[in-house]
Amino acid sequence: GAVVSQHPSWVICKSGTSVKIECRSLDFQATTMFWYRQFPKQSLMLMATSNEGSKATYEQGVEKDKFLINHASLTLSTLTVTSAHPEDSSFYICSALSSGGSQETQYFGPGTRLLVL
Amino acid sequence: GEDVEQSLFLSVREGDSSVINCTYTDSSSTYLYWYKQEPGAGLQLLTYIFSNMDMKQDQRLTVLLNKKDKHLSLRIADTQTGDSAIYFCAEDTGRRALTFGSGTRLQVQP
Repeated sequence: GAVVSQHPSWVICKSGTSVKIECRSLDFQATTMFWYRQFPKQSLMLMATSNEGSKATYEQGVEKDKFLINHASLTLSTLTVTSAHPEDSSFYICSALSSGGSQETQYFGPGTRLLVL
Repeated sequence: GEDVEQSLFLSVREGDSSVINCTYTDSSSTYLYWYKQEPGAGLQLLTYIFSNMDMKQDQRLTVLLNKKDKHLSLRIADTQTGDSAIYFCAEDTGRRALTFGSGTRLQVQP
């Protein structure tokens, strides 16, 4: 099956710094990628839809100036958490939409665990 | 709005069958999915069902869909300790992003 990678797998940073998380589709092109956030013992919540070559679409309540998304190529989307604070500590998971075959399929990355001190 | 609900916890003995239930409210869902998440890990797609089907079997996994009641279930036959994880149902309502349930933690006792 298709593979989606994320880097880094985990990161610890000081409050006020910015953190960039990469999401790559390794063996397919994805014009659309999604960013989800999962707090401990909770479900995944969609943060934004990342579209190659255009602006991301953010879900209600997600600050676009705080969570910067760049989808500059068909295989890479980045999420930058700017001026991170402890409440941003979470598990961030991306997915990439593959349009091959008769059905669109989402492939999920392994996730990035962010801890803001 | 979309809302997907699951029971929080299920405990079974090794070798028994597990049934994890899910209810959803958006009747326009086209595909419904089951994902498995082990501790500290990402999501693993287990199986999915198209909304015009009412059953799908894949080895030890059986998915039942009652579209009238908006009820989805995942049955795991001969449950093993390696099946211990959190199981999420998710629906694709045409937005392409998925709406996830709250997750059911399955504990398999030896």
